[in-house]
Amino acid sequence: AQSVTQPDIHITVSEGASLELRCNYSYGATPYLFWYVQSPGQGLQLLLKYFSGDTLVQGIKGFEAEFKRSQSSFNLRKPSVHWSDAAEYFCAVGLTGGGNKLTFGTGTQLKVEL
Amino acid sequence: DGGITQSPKYLFRKEGQNVTLSCEQNLNHDAMYWYRQDPGQGLRLIYYSQIVNDFQKGDIAEGYSVSREKKESFPLTVTSAQKNPTAFYLCASRRQVANTGELFFGEGSRLTVL
Repeated sequence: AQSVTQPDIHITVSEGASLELRCNYSYGATPYLFWYVQSPGQGLQLLLKYFSGDTLVQGIKGFEAEFKRSQSSFNLRKPSVHWSDAAEYFCAVGLTGGGNKLTFGTGTQLKVEL
Repeated sequence: DGGITQSPKYLFRKEGQNVTLSCEQNLNHDAMYWYRQDPGQGLRLIYYSQIVNDFQKGDIAEGYSVSREKKESFPLTVTSAQKNPTAFYLCASRRQVANTGELFFGEGSRLTVL
């Protein structure tokens, strides 16, 4: 079965600093990969997704992520964090069959210091 | 505007009572999903439906039931058999059954058992 690991439960960065959130997956084939963001008490919003092609994908709000097959990783990055980026971030992997489900990581809570 | 509407946003229940959470979408999406979110555990799949009048169990279906009588509606019933029902529940839908489609989420329903 596929799985997703987000090793950092909490991350704190200063406003204006760069950000990298880690995501590792375990899956036999090339997965479909997603990053979502959640504000407190809200639903999830898609930041970006990778299906195939260019391994560096651009998303909304200035985020990008790089798919590295050799490391089974799909880390999320942002060059300069804004205070409004404080939220919880989820990495997810999609099955290529058997129900079209997404499996989510446990999330990384981002705090931004002013 | 198209989207997913979950109601109620907050719900309190006494032990031993069944409750039903509503999820309606006007995106004309084929597939719909229910996830449960607990702190530190990410999102876990309860049930999903890829077509009207058909649904499948997810990873934590025990104590829950669903129906899919209409394409736009996918209500979730939390039964008295669910031993720890206090959680945040998220409904989602997907534009197409194929796996490449992103999930669109509602804003969630928070259930508290008193």
